[in-house]
Amino acid sequence: AQKITQTQPGMFVQEKEAVTLDCTYDTSDQSYGLFWYKQPSSGEMIFLIYQGSYDEQNATEGRYSLNFQKARKSANLVISASQLGDSAMYFCAMREGTRGGKLIFGQGTELSVKP
Amino acid sequence: DVKVTQSSRYLVKRTGEKVFLECVQDMDHENMFWYRQDPGLGLRLIYFSYDVKMKEKGDIPEGYSVSREKKERFSLILESASTNQTSMYLCASSLDSRGFYEQYFGPGTRLTVT
Repeated sequence: AQKITQTQPGMFVQEKEAVTLDCTYDTSDQSYGLFWYKQPSSGEMIFLIYQGSYDEQNATEGRYSLNFQKARKSANLVISASQLGDSAMYFCAMREGTRGGKLIFGQGTELSVKP
Repeated sequence: DVKVTQSSRYLVKRTGEKVFLECVQDMDHENMFWYRQDPGLGLRLIYFSYDVKMKEKGDIPEGYSVSREKKERFSLILESASTNQTSMYLCASSLDSRGFYEQYFGPGTRLTVT
């Protein structure tokens, strides 16, 4: 069965430093997509970045990059030059190719950026 | 601009009441989803719909039903609310099932059942 695991319930990072949020997944499908979302204290879910299982390059979006290691089934989010506004919950999610668009989410990691 | 709206940000209901949570998207998306979010559990899928009048159960459908009479609107119904349905409810939509499109989320409804 498909599963997403985020093993870090909470993390701290100093402002302007880089931070890596871990995500591992389990699936038997060859075609799947991996997503990261940010949820600030206001509650809305904000899409950050996407990686397809057939993409050879790691995805990047501004200060966000996804460290995709297919053999290890990991899809870690790297945030460079952390800002105070990056303090939020971060969710990793996976979509399998045959499943009609639904996402399976991890438990989330709460990131706190210290000034 | 992409928009998913939910009828209420906060809702308080009594045990046994019938509760309707409404979600509307203005992006002409085919897929719509209802999740509940609880601390330490992430988001769990309750139901989703890939077309008007079509619905599929998610991972935790018990105690819930849904309705999609129009493409832009997806309703979540708690037939007889119970205290263990106190949670944050998030609605989402995505373009279609054929590509790996991101889901766009509404602001959420925090439901308290007393």
